[in-house]
Amino acid sequence: DQQVKQNSPSLSVQEGRISILNCDYTNSMFDYFLWYKKYPAEGPTFLISISSIKDKNEDGRFTVFLNKSAKHLSLHIVPSQPGDSAVYFCAASASDSNYQLIWGAGTKLIIKP
Amino acid sequence: KAGVTQTPRYLIKTRGQQVTLSCSPISGHRSVSWYQQTPGQGLQFLFEYFSETQRNKGNFPGRFSGRQFSNSRSEMNVSTLELGDSALYLCASSLDLFAGSPLHFGNGTRLTVT
Repeated sequence: DQQVKQNSPSLSVQEGRISILNCDYTNSMFDYFLWYKKYPAEGPTFLISISSIKDKNEDGRFTVFLNKSAKHLSLHIVPSQPGDSAVYFCAASASDSNYQLIWGAGTKLIIKP
Repeated sequence: KAGVTQTPRYLIKTRGQQVTLSCSPISGHRSVSWYQQTPGQGLQFLFEYFSETQRNKGNFPGRFSGRQFSNSRSEMNVSTLELGDSALYLCASSLDLFAGSPLHFGNGTRLTVT
């Protein structure tokens, strides 16, 4: 049973436009959510996170939105740049599960010039 | 501050052999987690160690094992290798597992089983 789902395996966006990556979850006990970015042949790097007590967190060009009632979160990248081309993973954790991260399958973002 | 170091970067083994992968966490980090990544799959959690104790374990067979040393360095061992074990194995460290303590990943060990 996949508790964290990223339903789009890939996404192609024009440079300068907004990239929106989506993530759905099923476990209502998740209380912390993170996005990681991964380049080929490298390990994932932490991008941005959000606690369940918030519905938005912003860091420069990156904003994460959390809709708890829909069990949905999204990552917005504005404006998209060529260096943003990577695989993006959504992950979630719950305090009652020792904060063990549950990961989505990833979305490959391609920024077109 | 040095990042998470994984050795070796690449490994080719034959079915039935065993392999040991090594991970040196960021200095001061006491939690080390191991993940398997295969094409089209997310990161599949193997296990997590904290202060030399296995604290969490994923749904992998007993052929996959690990340990952590007193200096927080960790090793992962896979015995009786199968073709399906071919994957990128990632190690991540953190201060501890709690909200707000992101994982820091190494660049992984690419294991190919032939």
